[in-house]
Amino acid sequence: QVQLVESGGGVVQPGRSLRLSCVASGFTFSMYGMHWGRQAPGKGLEWVTDISYDGTNKYYADSVKGRFTISRDNSKNTVFLQMNSLRGDDTAVYYCAKDGADWGYGPRGGAFDIWGQGTMVTVSS
Amino acid sequence: DIQMTQSPSTLSASVGDRVTITCRASQSIITWLAWYQQKPGKAPKLLIYKASSLESGVPSRFSGSGSGTEFTLTISSLQPDDFATYYCQHYDSYPWTFGQGTKVEIK
Repeated sequence: QVQLVESGGGVVQPGRSLRLSCVASGFTFSMYGMHWGRQAPGKGLEWVTDISYDGTNKYYADSVKGRFTISRDNSKNTVFLQMNSLRGDDTAVYYCAKDGADWGYGPRGGAFDIWGQGTMVTVSS
Repeated sequence: DIQMTQSPSTLSASVGDRVTITCRASQSIITWLAWYQQKPGKAPKLLIYKASSLESGVPSRFSGSGSGTEFTLTISSLQPDDFATYYCQHYDSYPWTFGQGTKVEIK
């Protein structure tokens, strides 16, 4: 079945780095854009970044621009989130999600149709 | 950035009730809007895309409508499994943003 499994979360000190991974299965990974979103404890959802199906285009929320980097390895069905200069307000459950449209085009492009179970990132000294 | 505002923030309802949640965009997003359901400790689930298209496998009691800046999610007859938090999300232009959520509670 279609599945996304995140890993790499944990407790990290402010200013340090962490790299999240998300392994996809059950669909043709190289046909779909991928997103990272997050949810701070007790708060709502926030889109963080996304990457096109071929890795050519990447977009970031202002809150992480210059600190976070998204990448993907289509040979390994994996999308990554490199998080540098972490701050307390980056504490959240981080979710990877599949874009709803193949090749990024169509009415589902930009909607997140499959989500992983999430991985918790805690930034604390 | 486009701001998304949901109302109400909390809604108390009974099984069988018709429930409507509103989502307003700070500028026109045409129909580039999705709705999600999230239960505690779980990932969100896509319900509706392009404002009114029902995601495959989602019960037909869920429906979406609207265009431009005002949108609604309607549950025609609330079921026990529907008590959850609902989010709207626009995908008109970057950055994508979500509403703050509407929690549907048991009355």
